[in-house]
Amino acid sequence: EAGVTQFPSHSVIEKGQTVTLRCDPISGHDNLYWYRRVMGKEIKFLLHFVKESKQDESGMPNNRFLAERTGGTYSTLKVQPAELEDSGVYFCASSQDYGNEQFFGPGTRLTVL
Amino acid sequence: GEDVEQSLFLSVREGDSSVINCTYTDSSSTYLYWYKQEPGAGLQLLTYIFSNMDMKQDQRLTVLLNKKDKHLSLRIADTQTGDSAIYFCAELGGTALIFGKGTTLSVSS
Repeated sequence: EAGVTQFPSHSVIEKGQTVTLRCDPISGHDNLYWYRRVMGKEIKFLLHFVKESKQDESGMPNNRFLAERTGGTYSTLKVQPAELEDSGVYFCASSQDYGNEQFFGPGTRLTVL
Repeated sequence: GEDVEQSLFLSVREGDSSVINCTYTDSSSTYLYWYKQEPGAGLQLLTYIFSNMDMKQDQRLTVLLNKKDKHLSLRIADTQTGDSAIYFCAELGGTALIFGKGTTLSVSS
């Protein structure tokens, strides 16, 4: 069974540019989560989808971040325009049911110069 | 506050036991977790414990939970070089996992 996959693994962009991160959850997992780890700090929750609906987006830092999950399968997280403080590792996770184990992807390392 | 606290670094010799400590924030958390992140890899669930348990043992891993003090620990017996990684303590807070900053475990031979 394929795990959670994320693309790209690394992205280096300049301040002001746009970047779109993609997450493919484990097939059949309705719950999809985005987390972010800024250098040296905690892994912080960004948002949670149940199928295509945003269940909780309380962790989204500001309106430069837009997450979508059209069709309830893969999800994208767009940062527009990117700022220096957006640099970090963005993790995606999925779970079959709420409260079940969350399986994490390898993360996307975003560097904003 | 909402901070899960962990020490940042731990260095041990191969064959010794490692103990990684964590204090969490929410006494009503039902699940507490330990995740492991190896270099270049994602987060792997290592073990978890239900809040109604005091201890859980799984091969070389022992988790101890002190609910009164909101203290969680992970003991790795006979630590190997392959155990070198970052270990994150996490609690389930509503929808999402709340993580500590991670403890970097360095194992020398």
